[in-house]
Amino acid sequence: EVQVAESGGGLVKPGGSLRLSCEVSEFTVSSYSMNWVRQAPGKGLEWVSSISSRGDNIFYADSVKGRFTISRDNAKNSLYLQMNSLRVEDTAVYYCARDFLDATMVTRTDYWGQGTLVTVSS
Amino acid sequence: DIQMTQSPPSLSASVGDRVTITCRASQSVHKYLNWYQQKPGRAPNLLIFAASNLQSGVPSRFSASGSGTDFTLTISSLQPEDFATYYCQQTYTTPRTFGQGTKVEIK
Repeated sequence: EVQVAESGGGLVKPGGSLRLSCEVSEFTVSSYSMNWVRQAPGKGLEWVSSISSRGDNIFYADSVKGRFTISRDNAKNSLYLQMNSLRVEDTAVYYCARDFLDATMVTRTDYWGQGTLVTVSS
Repeated sequence: DIQMTQSPPSLSASVGDRVTITCRASQSVHKYLNWYQQKPGRAPNLLIFAASNLQSGVPSRFSASGSGTDFTLTISSLQPEDFATYYCQQTYTTPRTFGQGTKVEIK
């Protein structure tokens, strides 16, 4: 059974840094595009970042560009999100999610972790 | 950025009701539109991909249609487990924007 599990969330002061990890099982992260999506308390979903299967295409939301870095360790079959210069408005549950690209070139985000909470507060 | 607008923001319905949620894109996303269901404290769950395709394991009472800028999600006969928040998301281009969500509540 495919499993996705985030870790690394916690309480951090404004301006601080945090590194989120996403461990997966029953599939290889290097074979799929992967995403980070966040949800502020009581709010909707916000796409944060994506990395392609080959790692040659990386995208960020404008709200995190220049502060967050998505990466992947194929040997550990894991995805990461390095978050620097954190702001109060970055407070959210962060989800790691897999993209499935089918033969018709349609992408669907089919497996999600349960999320890890990041709280940025002084 | 492509803006995704869902309506209504919330609705109250009874078990057995037919429910329709709409999602409008600020520009064409062709067929690159997915629908998710999210229950409190849980991760989103994919219901529909490519505008009208039912994800494996999703009950057939869920259906969807649309292309270009206008999309709909329909629940043919609302069940107790369907009370949740529903989101559309375009995957045509980055940023891969979500609608603001539609909360389906018990009447």
